[in-house]
Amino acid sequence: DGGITQSPKYLFRKEGQNVTLSCEQNLNHDAMYWYRQDPGQGLRLIYYSQIVNDFQKGDIAEGYSVSREKKESFPLTVTSAQKNPTAFYLCASSIIGMDEQFFGPGTRLTVL
Amino acid sequence: RKEVEQDPGPFNVPEGATVAFNCTYSNSASQSFFWYRQDCRKEPKLLMSVYSSGNEDGRFTAQLNRASQYISLLIRDSKLSDSATYLCVVNSPNQAGTALIFGKGTTLSVSS
Repeated sequence: DGGITQSPKYLFRKEGQNVTLSCEQNLNHDAMYWYRQDPGQGLRLIYYSQIVNDFQKGDIAEGYSVSREKKESFPLTVTSAQKNPTAFYLCASSIIGMDEQFFGPGTRLTVL
Repeated sequence: RKEVEQDPGPFNVPEGATVAFNCTYSNSASQSFFWYRQDCRKEPKLLMSVYSSGNEDGRFTAQLNRASQYISLLIRDSKLSDSATYLCVVNSPNQAGTALIFGKGTTLSVSS
């Protein structure tokens, strides 16, 4: 089955710790995205990548980092510099030239 | 003006009712428009694209008015399973790459 997987589903971390969220897709999509969703809020773009070894900051990149070493994978690191990291993190992918994006199941991060 | 604005609801309707959601967007250069559905604590899923000529998919009809920068979604014969949050989404051609701007969503609750 083709799709996007994210792990873990739930993640708890202590303040001051970095944590990495996994996103893998086997749809052969070139573009991948990371969004953050807070309760009652729309999705906000953190980072996106259109090609391996290249990525761009979205609207709220501060305190986050990404890498794109493989087409299939786009991990997101939430660093200790992110002041309010508790949120629902969603990874998406799309075909270049097509605007429709398809989402993974998300990771709920809670900072204790 | 917010980039994508929706009435948050909630819309509480009985089964079989017809309900309409509206959305306005601020960027007149936007070219791609979508409605996504998001169930509680789940990822958004593409419901339908919205075309200038209007389009229909079963009980769902989407309309676009470019002059007014207005998008609508009509749901006929509402089912219990239609209960969800509906996200209005437009592309943002002023940013590099294919960025989507998400509204905060309109919540629908269908009751028996």
